[in-house]
Amino acid sequence: DTEVTQTPKHLVMGMTNKKSLKCEQHMGHRAMYWYKQKAKKPPELMFVYSYEKLSINESVPSRFSPECPNSSLLNLHLHALQPEDSALYLCASSQEAKTYGYTFGSGTRLTVV
Amino acid sequence: AQSVTQPDIHITVSEGASLELRCNYSYGATPYLFWYVQSPGQGLQLLLKYFSGDTLVQGIKGFEAEFKRSQSSFNLRKPSVHWSDAAEYFCAVLIRGNYGGSQGNLIFGKGTKLSVKP
Repeated sequence: DTEVTQTPKHLVMGMTNKKSLKCEQHMGHRAMYWYKQKAKKPPELMFVYSYEKLSINESVPSRFSPECPNSSLLNLHLHALQPEDSALYLCASSQEAKTYGYTFGSGTRLTVV
Repeated sequence: AQSVTQPDIHITVSEGASLELRCNYSYGATPYLFWYVQSPGQGLQLLLKYFSGDTLVQGIKGFEAEFKRSQSSFNLRKPSVHWSDAAEYFCAVLIRGNYGGSQGNLIFGKGTKLSVKP
């Protein structure tokens, strides 16, 4: 298995809702990432987990809450989002990033109404 | 500050023509460089990477890139473009740090949109 799987592919949520994005990989990668990509912009790093511990939080608002339950799973919990949070949320994983790069999932298209 | 610049926002080429997408980076240490491709609404697919050794690297789908340290460039090339190559292309540099292991932050350029004329 050489893929990163993200669910759901599309999500529409209200500003008072609580939802979660899920990411899964079975490549044995020990680092996992959340990126946010606005339309016509490059991806921007949100969080990095290394060996299931949060190692980078790029000053992301607390309405985004990451969780890494085990080495294969990465969740992003969403609460009280704003319309400007609408974007494509990409998950990625890596083992030796310099050698192999990151493997990205196909993303969750989030719309906040 | 570390950064990646892709000077061309949008490029249109005819099918069968050659392609070169430009990328310049700013990074103090030896850079680890990548090219990714993204189709509309999709994730990113790794085309190729450079971290040491031969400065001309081969990737998937017939793409290649050349690392030129003197010019701080890592341009992507393809000798003959196919209609299916139409997509957004991102150059990226890995910003390394004490994040645990060899992980880091992948910094992307703003991207170049490639359109292919029949």
